[in-house]
Amino acid sequence: DTAVSQTPKYLVTQMGNDKSIKCEQNLGHDTMYWYKQDSKKFLKIMFSYNNKELIINETVPNRFSPKSPDKAHLNLHINSLELGDSAVYFCASSSSPGGDTQYFGPGTRLTVL
Amino acid sequence: QKEVEQDPGPLSVPEGAIVSLNCTYSNSAFQYFMWYRQYSRKGPELLMYTYSSGNKEDGRFTAQVDKSSKYISLFIRDSQPSDSATYLCAMNQGAQKLVFGQGTRLTINP
Repeated sequence: DTAVSQTPKYLVTQMGNDKSIKCEQNLGHDTMYWYKQDSKKFLKIMFSYNNKELIINETVPNRFSPKSPDKAHLNLHINSLELGDSAVYFCASSSSPGGDTQYFGPGTRLTVL
Repeated sequence: QKEVEQDPGPLSVPEGAIVSLNCTYSNSAFQYFMWYRQYSRKGPELLMYTYSSGNKEDGRFTAQVDKSSKYISLFIRDSQPSDSATYLCAMNQGAQKLVFGQGTRLTINP
């Protein structure tokens, strides 16, 4: 059984489009995250939710909007996609914010043409 | 200056060699230190987790933290081709965001 799953795995789209990435975890964790990994493998946090509430919101363009319908799901919607949004997006979860082990999903490779 | 600095490599060593991977950091408030391993086209997975200065050993892997020098290391003994991956250091101060190094790409040659 996959602990943290993401869909889709690959996403290729045109500049200006709107797209969503979905994440689900079956670990019973309270905290979920979105990370962006650029082409140089630098992994940077974007958002974190704890019990469906936003607790970390890094300096991310407001074209990116996370939504947590319940503790097991954290989706990421991106409006007006730009070339610079091309990256791999990882969802992760942990039992509590910060110090606990974070479990990562397989990633969504987004390419904006 | 980045909060966490890690040499991106690539690093290539023969099978059986001892590998040393390192990170330096600038925030003296960091308390928890981790090493994640990321295989190509996969998500990172936790390899080692340490709190405070000292060594922690798990099989062929040893994590070392020197808080006075703001320096952490991961040693891999008897390296295997299956250890070929990108290794990312990460750290935080309790319930704060996890800050990652850039990752070191490691290749173990048979």
